[in-house]
Amino acid sequence: GAGVSQSPSNKVTEKGKDVELRCDPISGHTALYWYRQSLGQGLEFLIYFQGNSAPDKSGLPSDRFSAERTGGSVSTLTIQRTQQEDSAVYLCASSLASGRATDTQYFGPGTRLTVL
Amino acid sequence: AQSVSQHNHHVILSEAASLELGCNYSYGGTVNLFWYVQYPGQHLQLLLKYFSGDPLVKGIKGFEAEFIKSKFSFNLRKPSVQWSDTAEYFCAVIGDTGRRALTFGSGTRLQVQP
Repeated sequence: GAGVSQSPSNKVTEKGKDVELRCDPISGHTALYWYRQSLGQGLEFLIYFQGNSAPDKSGLPSDRFSAERTGGSVSTLTIQRTQQEDSAVYLCASSLASGRATDTQYFGPGTRLTVL
Repeated sequence: AQSVSQHNHHVILSEAASLELGCNYSYGGTVNLFWYVQYPGQHLQLLLKYFSGDPLVKGIKGFEAEFIKSKFSFNLRKPSVQWSDTAEYFCAVIGDTGRRALTFGSGTRLQVQP
């Protein structure tokens, strides 16, 4: 398919473990976003990549969260020393053009993370 | 900083009823406004968006929204809902300057009864 894909679809981990979540954006999309959706906080922005520019990390909730985007395509969100409050659905989105505010963001199906 | 308020958290309607979901935003400059929908078990999809021009925007599946600048509002409407419109609806905003990520409202869960 041509949409945004994410893996795994579900991840259950124990408190204190590290997890990696993967996002494959739509081919040719230069912008990539991570959000998370949780019961208590709704949909909130985490980090944004645009081409070769430095990422906007202003939404990351703590230094346990990091993300990288290799080769301008695939992105990995890493959460170190997971806590129960990290349980959420992590959503990835991508958009086509050079970071215009009017661009449509296309969302993936998300990774449901459960921290026991 | 920008923010979005959706005051209706849960709406229950019968089929064929008219729908209006409220969305108010707070931002000091030019905004771009979006409505996204999340059907049960599916990912977020764009319903419609406004960035300039005609303040009445038409989207997919018969939805429309009107941007009223003086009221900082972007309400979503549909004249006659169907059972298949059961979903969660999110209003979102991006300002013309600053961060390029969406700021979402808390969402409105719509339940349409047959």
